[in-house]
Amino acid sequence: QQPVQSPQAVILREGEDAVINCSSSKALYSVHWYRQKHGEAPVFLMILLKGGEQKGHEKISASFNEKKQQSSLYLTASQLSYSGTYFCGFSWGKLQFGAGTQVVVTP
Amino acid sequence: DVKVTQSSRYLVKRTGEKVFLECVQDMDHENMFWYRQDPGLGLRLIYFSYDVKMKEKGDIPEGYSVSREKKERFSLILESASTNQTSMYLCASSDLPTGMNTEAFFGQGTRLTVV
Repeated sequence: QQPVQSPQAVILREGEDAVINCSSSKALYSVHWYRQKHGEAPVFLMILLKGGEQKGHEKISASFNEKKQQSSLYLTASQLSYSGTYFCGFSWGKLQFGAGTQVVVTP
Repeated sequence: DVKVTQSSRYLVKRTGEKVFLECVQDMDHENMFWYRQDPGLGLRLIYFSYDVKMKEKGDIPEGYSVSREKKERFSLILESASTNQTSMYLCASSDLPTGMNTEAFFGQGTRLTVV
């Protein structure tokens, strides 16, 4: 089963914040976050491991609630370069992704 | 830099043809994945492989098969292409263990059109 990701899309002005949520029906080993710009391959942003280890990227951070099997990605003080589609990926042996959240940052 | 290379960016095939999509990675990664990307559906896992000649079905394996004869190469095969297999196909690779705590690297994708 694919992770459930929300919202489907968000439009921001530069400098605004946004949160993208991802949930699972299964117990998770780790959560991955990727960003894909139009016409390009998805690029790794960060991974959150069971047990709390976290890696970060620019002003983008994330949390992982193991009990609720949920993860959230926080875009803080968004920049134009943050535009793209964000995918969460859940790993339980195989790596499965959500449907994606399209983020548009406007000047 | 890790490179995941897919043999074609664009491919047009006829219904009923046997289609091979090739993916090669140069970082000696154990795991390789094939995804299909469609608008509104995200990245759906077709098959993945955790070792040479080892494979497991993903979420949507019907109509596809895979081959991994060498560690660096993972092929996706459409036995008899159909129009509903028109899509963007993405290959990815990662190091052990099975992508759990290591990032996946993606190829540029193959946009397949079946007519």
